[in-house]
Amino acid sequence: DAGVIQSPRHEVTEMGQEVTLRCKPISGHNSLFWYRQTMMRGLELLIYFNNNVPIDDSGMPEDRFSAKMPNASFSTLKIQPSEPRDSAVYFCASTFGRGFTDTQYFGPGTRLTVL
Amino acid sequence: DAKTTQPPSMDCAEGRAANLPCNHSTISGNEYVYWYRQIHSQGPQYIIHGLKNNETNEMASLIITEDRKSSTLILPHATLRDTAVYYCIVRVGSGGSNYKLTFGKGTLLTVNP
Repeated sequence: DAGVIQSPRHEVTEMGQEVTLRCKPISGHNSLFWYRQTMMRGLELLIYFNNNVPIDDSGMPEDRFSAKMPNASFSTLKIQPSEPRDSAVYFCASTFGRGFTDTQYFGPGTRLTVL
Repeated sequence: DAKTTQPPSMDCAEGRAANLPCNHSTISGNEYVYWYRQIHSQGPQYIIHGLKNNETNEMASLIITEDRKSSTLILPHATLRDTAVYYCIVRVGSGGSNYKLTFGKGTLLTVNP
C-alpha cells in the first residue's frame, strides 16, 4: 500500500516566485496535516484538515501561505511570494479519524530552498 | 500538552538494547505517551504509544512508570538502521486540540558497529 506521496521532493526557487507543494494522503484517511521543519524551530504544524475542511490554520506563518484540499486525495500548500526564510523541509501527514489515539503517517517531505 | 524532557543524544552498540528515557512529570491522567522517530532525510515515523500499561509491538517496547511521570522506549536489538532522532510526545486525550503532535528536540540515537 502506498504511503503519503509528496511532490516535488526538492524545489529550488528564487525569492518572489510562487511555490506549490503537493500531497496525496493515504487512501481512506480523512485527516491531513502540513508541517514545516527547520533547524531553528524544529517540526511545526502549519495546518490541519479533517474531511477536506481546514480545522486549524493557526500555524500558518502569514498570508503568503495558503493551503487547499479540493478532495480527499489531494492537497496543496502554496507560498506566494516566497522568501529565503521559507527555506525548510515541508512534510505532509495523514491519518484516519480525529480521535486522540490516531497515529499520523508522514510523507518523505519536500525540501524547499528559496534563493 | 505536557512538556517532555529527553537527553539530546545517546550512543548504543549494534545488537544491544537501546533504552531511551523521557520525563513528563506534568502529564495529566488522560494524556498518552507517543514515540516517533525520524531517520535522516525522512519523515517522522510512528513507533508506539501507551497510557499507563507497558506496551510492546514489533518495533519496540514502552515502559511507563507507575506514577506516569517518566517512560522508557526500548529497542531490544538495535541495528545501524535505528540511528535516528527519537521524539517523546505527550498528547491530550480530549478537547479541540487532540490532533496535535508537538515535537520537541528529541534524542539523537547513534547505533555504532
